[in-house]
Amino acid sequence: EVHLLESGGDFVQPGGSLRLSCVASGFTFSSYALSWVRQAPGKGLEWVSFISVHDIPNYTDSVKGRFTTSRDNSKNTVYLQMNSLRDEDTATYYCAKLEGDTDSDYSFDDWGQGTQVTVSS
Amino acid sequence: SYELTQPPAVSVSAGQTATITCSGNKLGDKSASWYQQRPGQSPTLVIYKDNKRPSGTPERFSGSNSGNTATLTISGTRAMDEADYYCQAWDIGTAVFGGGTKLTVL
Repeated sequence: EVHLLESGGDFVQPGGSLRLSCVASGFTFSSYALSWVRQAPGKGLEWVSFISVHDIPNYTDSVKGRFTTSRDNSKNTVYLQMNSLRDEDTATYYCAKLEGDTDSDYSFDDWGQGTQVTVSS
Repeated sequence: SYELTQPPAVSVSAGQTATITCSGNKLGDKSASWYQQRPGQSPTLVIYKDNKRPSGTPERFSGSNSGNTATLTISGTRAMDEADYYCQAWDIGTAVFGGGTKLTVL
């Protein structure tokens, strides 16, 4: 059974930094792309970032230059380093495993329970 | 940037068919997925590659995608299907989610 467990969420002031972690189990971690998706309170889902099996990341425009996604296959863990945090980054951050043949037909087939990030002064 | 548009809310009587639409430019040329999110829970995948059901998705859930519109259809809707539903597609290496549709089962 696939299991994704996020951690690292916290309360932080604007301009601060956080690193989220997502530990995976139940599948061959190195063979799958992974993604971070966030959900602001009472709002919809927003894709944040993606990291391929070849360690190539991509980001939504609003976090480019501030967030960095990386993976450590030896630890079955994907990370989201978040710098220069803003109020609008406040959200529940989900880690998700991607399933598909190409980067045009991936689906988010397993999700973690999420970790809460609150940015406020 | 690419956008997907969903109706904010859909209501359906129990036992009837619910239809949720997702519109985007030439969406039919892309692969659409649908996610269910019950209150206080993480999203779960219910349809992928336009019309495929993951194991665990009831047969009453079906999907289609053509032209500019993807559609999620729930036949014989049950009270347990009351949830938020999100469509999703990829555009030039970035994932896009629709704004979500709150399904109410009367």
